[in-house]
Amino acid sequence: QQQVKQSPQSLIVQKGGISIINCAYENTAFDYFPWYQQFPGKGPALLIAIRPDVSEKKEGRFTISFNKSAKQFSLHIMDSQPGDSATYFCAARGQAGTALIFGKGTTLSVSS
Amino acid sequence: SAVISQKPSRDICQRGTSLTIQCQVDSQVTMMFWYRQQPGQSLTLIATANQGSEATYESGFVIDKFPISRPNLTFSTLTVSNMSPEDSSIYLCSVRAGGRSGELFFGEGSRLTVL
Repeated sequence: QQQVKQSPQSLIVQKGGISIINCAYENTAFDYFPWYQQFPGKGPALLIAIRPDVSEKKEGRFTISFNKSAKQFSLHIMDSQPGDSATYFCAARGQAGTALIFGKGTTLSVSS
Repeated sequence: SAVISQKPSRDICQRGTSLTIQCQVDSQVTMMFWYRQQPGQSLTLIATANQGSEATYESGFVIDKFPISRPNLTFSTLTVSNMSPEDSSIYLCSVRAGGRSGELFFGEGSRLTVL
């Protein structure tokens, strides 16, 4: 499987701060880049996703920034809240019909 | 959206036994995927299961160890055969939504512990 590299592995942020998680990919054929949020004991749930024809997508406090030339994308969580404490996975997918390839995940802890 | 139910949600198994995990979806879907998530790790694709055809396995996963059935468009099973402690993982069923978004929905997972 093609690799998607995610960093950092863990992140501690103060309540109200900005959480930033980064991912890099290798395969230029990837055309769909989602972020998933997973709480303990639950399956991953789609948070936000972007396609390479835009450089940024914002949904509420969550923003994806996408840099096609650098083959990198990142998740920004503004005004981080304790309820955002979870594991976040970036992912990528190639041609339609193929499965997602996931990064290794980032465990976010937002301290109150 | 799609609602996915997995059974069992968790189980403790003895080495050398086999366990079948069931995945039921509330709507008809063409593509279903089985992922494995080892403790504290990421999700690794085991296989893609399409109705009416043999499952397609990823490198490192074989049909004899992880046989999959897909009898219809709303149901699939994954069997973990001849289990060893290394098979202790969360096994996740996922389905792909229709349309351009192609969002992937996940079940809550089946947490297996092999003693």
